[in-house]
Amino acid sequence: AQSVSQHNHHVILSEAASLELGCNYSYGGTVNLFWYVQYPGQHLQLLLKYFSGDPLVKGIKGFEAEFIKSKFSFNLRKPSVQWSDTAEYFCAVNAPYNQGGKLIFGQGTELSVKP
Amino acid sequence: DGGITQSPKYLFRKEGQNVTLSCEQNLNHDAMYWYRQDPGQGLRLIYYSQIVNDFQKGDIAEGYSVSREKKESFPLTVTSAQKNPTAFYLCASSGLATDTQYFGPGTRLTVL
Repeated sequence: AQSVSQHNHHVILSEAASLELGCNYSYGGTVNLFWYVQYPGQHLQLLLKYFSGDPLVKGIKGFEAEFIKSKFSFNLRKPSVQWSDTAEYFCAVNAPYNQGGKLIFGQGTELSVKP
Repeated sequence: DGGITQSPKYLFRKEGQNVTLSCEQNLNHDAMYWYRQDPGQGLRLIYYSQIVNDFQKGDIAEGYSVSREKKESFPLTVTSAQKNPTAFYLCASSGLATDTQYFGPGTRLTVL
């Protein structure tokens, strides 16, 4: 069965620190990869996605992620976080032709950025 | 203004009552999904529909039911058979099953 694992449950950083959130998945076939963000009181929004091509993808608000197929990983990075990045971050995977393209989500990582 | 709407934002019900959560989209998307979010567990798929008048069970369908009579609407009923219904419910849609899913604002259901 597919699964997604996010390594950190809660990360606390100071403003301007660099961020890397780990995400590993287990599935042997073709996958699409996503990072979603949920800001306090707001709905889930897409940060970035990888379907194919360049394994380094750039998203909104200065975030990027690198797909490393050999490691089944899709880690999220940002060089310098801001207080406004405080949110919960979800890694998700879908196998396009499995169960209607359902998304398998990781447990989520709560990021708290101290001003 | 295109998007996905869910209503109500907060819902309170007594134990043993059925309750229906609304999800409407005006994105002309074919596929729609219902997820349940619980703290520390991410989101889990309840039901999905790839086309009008057809829907499939997801990973945690027990105690839930859906209908898809119109392309833009995918209501979810939480029945009294659902043993732990208090949760945050998210509706999503995508153009095709292979496309990016976009989410609504969610409904927080509390069963007293």
